[in-house]
Amino acid sequence: DTEVTQTPKHLVMGMTNKKSLKCEQHMGHRAMYWYKQKAKKPPELMFVYSYEKLSINESVPSRFSPECPNSSLLNLHLHALQPEDSALYLCASSQGERERSEQYFGPGTRLTVT
Amino acid sequence: GENVEQHPSTLSVQEGDSAVIKCTYSDSASNYFPWYKQELGKGPQLIIDIRSNVGEKKDQRIAVTLNKTAKHFSLHITETQPEDSAVYFCAARGMIYNQGGKLIFGQGTELSVKP
Repeated sequence: DTEVTQTPKHLVMGMTNKKSLKCEQHMGHRAMYWYKQKAKKPPELMFVYSYEKLSINESVPSRFSPECPNSSLLNLHLHALQPEDSALYLCASSQGERERSEQYFGPGTRLTVT
Repeated sequence: GENVEQHPSTLSVQEGDSAVIKCTYSDSASNYFPWYKQELGKGPQLIIDIRSNVGEKKDQRIAVTLNKTAKHFSLHITETQPEDSAVYFCAARGMIYNQGGKLIFGQGTELSVKP
């Protein structure tokens, strides 16, 4: 089973709202990732968590705040977003950052900021 | 840093024909090369991958080849079917320590298989 689940599927929020995206995997993977994807573009890495610790932050604005409560869960907290933040937000996981590199993606959350 | 170029950006084939998508990478230390298929409204799906110690890998109608000397790798789909229509992304993973499991993606190829 290579399933990564994400909720919600769709989210519309205003620029003053606070919302959270959730990601879950039960494959025993120890690395989890957040990506942002604009239409017809490749995924852009935002954050990497390895063994529940933030490993990579690709200079993402502070209005995006990741959290890894345990090895199966990954959250992305959103606050004071801009319309240009509208995109598909993808979560992915892999067995480790280096040992086994296969990354499996979830279906994504389609975010619209109004 | 690592850069991955992917060609063509769009590809249209007749059902039953073969399709080939090519990628080149810049970092000679890259050691892992996955291919993802993304259908409309879905997340990318890992369809095949190859590691730097292997020259070719096949899985039914899809195959990937790697030329480490030339730093390029290709996806081959034979006997294409309409359900193969999607955007395909190649990626390369480098060995820079602080980049961890970072994949660098190509810009994508939109494949259309016409019945």
